[in-house]
Amino acid sequence: QQQVKQSPQSLIVQKGGISIINCAYENTAFDYFPWYQQFPGKGPALLIAIRPDVSEKKEGRFTISFNKSAKQFSLHIMDSQPGDSATYFCAANSGGSNYKLTFGKGTLLTVNP
Amino acid sequence: ETGVTQSPTHLIKTRGQQVTLRCSSQSGHNTVSWYQQALGQGPQFIFQYYREEENGRGNFPPRFSGLQFPNYSSELNVNALELDDSALYLCASSAKTGNGYTFGSGTRLTVV
Repeated sequence: QQQVKQSPQSLIVQKGGISIINCAYENTAFDYFPWYQQFPGKGPALLIAIRPDVSEKKEGRFTISFNKSAKQFSLHIMDSQPGDSATYFCAANSGGSNYKLTFGKGTLLTVNP
Repeated sequence: ETGVTQSPTHLIKTRGQQVTLRCSSQSGHNTVSWYQQALGQGPQFIFQYYREEENGRGNFPPRFSGLQFPNYSSELNVNALELDDSALYLCASSAKTGNGYTFGSGTRLTVV
């Protein structure tokens, strides 16, 4: 059972454009929704995260939009740059002492110069 | 501040063998989690250790086992290796409070 569904699988954007990646979750107990960026040969790195008490969080060019009723959240990358080319994973977990993260399958983003 | 370090970076093993992967957690972090990332997939939670005890386990068979040491470093052991165990194994550390994970760069295990 895939508890976090991510789309699209791959995305090609021109430099300066907006990249949008979407995720949907099933488990209503989830209360923490991070996005990770992974470059080839490296482990995932935390990019930005949100909790369900807010509908949007912005950090620089990266914004998370969260829709609790629809159980969906998305990552927007404004002014996309070639250096943003990487695989992006959404994830979710429920709080407390168990930090098990459930990841989506990832989106390979390519930003063309 | 040092990050999460894993060793070795690459490893080739034969089916049926046993393997031990190692992880040093980030300074100040007392919780270590292990994830398996198959090619083209998201990481999948194997288990987590806190205060040297297993504190949560994913859907992995008992031949996947681990240890956490008093200095919070950790080992992942896999017995009776199968071809499907070929993957990137990621270690992540975190503090008890908060949900911020720091991942290491992983160990690429190839089972032939």
